[in-house]
Amino acid sequence: AQTVTQSQPEMSVQEAETVTLSCTYDTSESDYYLFWYKQPPSRQMILVIRQEAYKQQNATENRFSVNFQKAAKSFSLKISDSQLGDAAMYFCASPGAGSYQLTFGKGTKLSVIP
Amino acid sequence: EAQVTQNPRYLITVTGKKLTVTCSQNMNHEYMSWYRQDPGLGLRQIYYSMNVEVTDKGDVPEGYKVSRKEKRNFPLILESPSPNQTSLYFCASSLRLAGKQTQYFGPGTRLLVL
Repeated sequence: AQTVTQSQPEMSVQEAETVTLSCTYDTSESDYYLFWYKQPPSRQMILVIRQEAYKQQNATENRFSVNFQKAAKSFSLKISDSQLGDAAMYFCASPGAGSYQLTFGKGTKLSVIP
Repeated sequence: EAQVTQNPRYLITVTGKKLTVTCSQNMNHEYMSWYRQDPGLGLRQIYYSMNVEVTDKGDVPEGYKVSRKEKRNFPLILESPSPNQTSLYFCASSLRLAGKQTQYFGPGTRLLVL
């Protein structure tokens, strides 16, 4: 079974500081995307960033970047200059069998301390 | 505006009373999927559809049915709801395969089965 592991159920960061959320995955696919989604208190699922596995360059979206280690099947999310609005649940996702499914981790709850 | 809509957003029902949660997307996406979210378990896939009249089970399909008669709609049917189906449900769509395209999520449906 394909699995996604987020080892940090909860994390906190001081406003304006940097925090890294970890994620490991297990897929048999060779060509795939990896995703980080944010879920604020509204419960809406919002795409934060995605990484194409065949690209060696780590994806970056403004204050959000990833550290993608394909051989280790690791896909961590770094949030720089943390803001109060970053407080949310964050989910990592990778493809399941045959890319027909997306498998999610159990999430990391991020708190931002003013 | 490109979006995925779900209705109803909130639903309280009783055990055994059939219900349908509708999902519609206006992006001409081929792939659609249903997830349920429970505390501490992340998102788990219920069913997915690769295209019209093509559906398949996800990880937790028991007690649910789906249909895909039109490309834009993918309703979730609970024929005889039970309390263990109390959850937050998300519909999502992507252009094609889940592992190779960004999935766009609906706003979620909170279901309480008494």
